Amino acid sequence: AQSVTQLGSHVSVSEGALVLLRCNYSSSVPPYLFWYVQYPNQGLQLLLKYTSAATLVKGINGFEAEFKKSETSFHLTKPSAHMSDAAEYFCAVSYNQGGKLIFGQGTELSVKP
Amino acid sequence: KAGVTQTPRYLIKTRGQQVTLSCSPISGHRSVSWYQQTPGQGLQFLFEYFSETQRNKGNFPGRFSGRQFSNSRSEMNVSTLELGDSALYLCASSLEIGTEKQYFGPGTRLLVL
Repeated sequence: AQSVTQLGSHVSVSEGALVLLRCNYSSSVPPYLFWYVQYPNQGLQLLLKYTSAATLVKGINGFEAEFKKSETSFHLTKPSAHMSDAAEYFCAVSYNQGGKLIFGQGTELSVKP
Repeated sequence: KAGVTQTPRYLIKTRGQQVTLSCSPISGHRSVSWYQQTPGQGLQFLFEYFSETQRNKGNFPGRFSGRQFSNSRSEMNVSTLELGDSALYLCASSLEIGTEKQYFGPGTRLLVL
C-alpha cells in the first residue's frame, strides 16, 4: 500500500538553528509531493508542492524541500528557525488519484528561544 | 478572496445521532475534498467531489456520505454516530480535480458523547 513516513513525531530546535523535517514515501512511481503546516486550532496551509519541474522546491516562509528519487525522500528544511515556525508539519503524496492526498503522521516542531 | 469556510466550527452529539457538516469552497473552485483528522489515525481521506459527482472515496463505512451542490458547496453526513467518529473534519477545495493545490478550511471539530 502507498504510504508516507515522517521520521520523528516531535522535533525541537533552537531559534536560529537549521530545521530539518524528514519525509519518505513508498512507491517506485514518483508521486506528487506536498508539505503542509497546521497551527493550533486551524486547518492546513500549503507550504510547497513538488511539480517535477525542479528537484529543489521553494515554498513560503523560507521553507524548501528537495526531491530525491533514489532515496524516495522529500525532506523539508529551513536555514534558520523562528519562534513562529512552531507548529505541526505534514508531508503528503498524491498518485494522481484525483485529489486524494495520503498524509504522513505529522511532525510537531518546537522552537526554543 | 475569501478562503474555505466550514460550519459549524464545533459540534457535540451523542451516539446514534446523525450530523451534517457544511463546506463552502473558495470562489471559483470546483473540487471539494473531505478529510478526517484524529490523534490515533492522523489525516485520512474521506471523499472528493467535482461537478456534483463523487470522484474518489476513501476507506470509510457507508455511514459517511456527502454531496456537492451546483454552486460547489459541499456537505458531509455521518449517520449513527459512534464515539470513534470524534474528530476534526477538514474540507479542502481546489480549482479542478487532480493534483491541484488544495486549500483547507479551519475544520469542524465533532465530539461524540
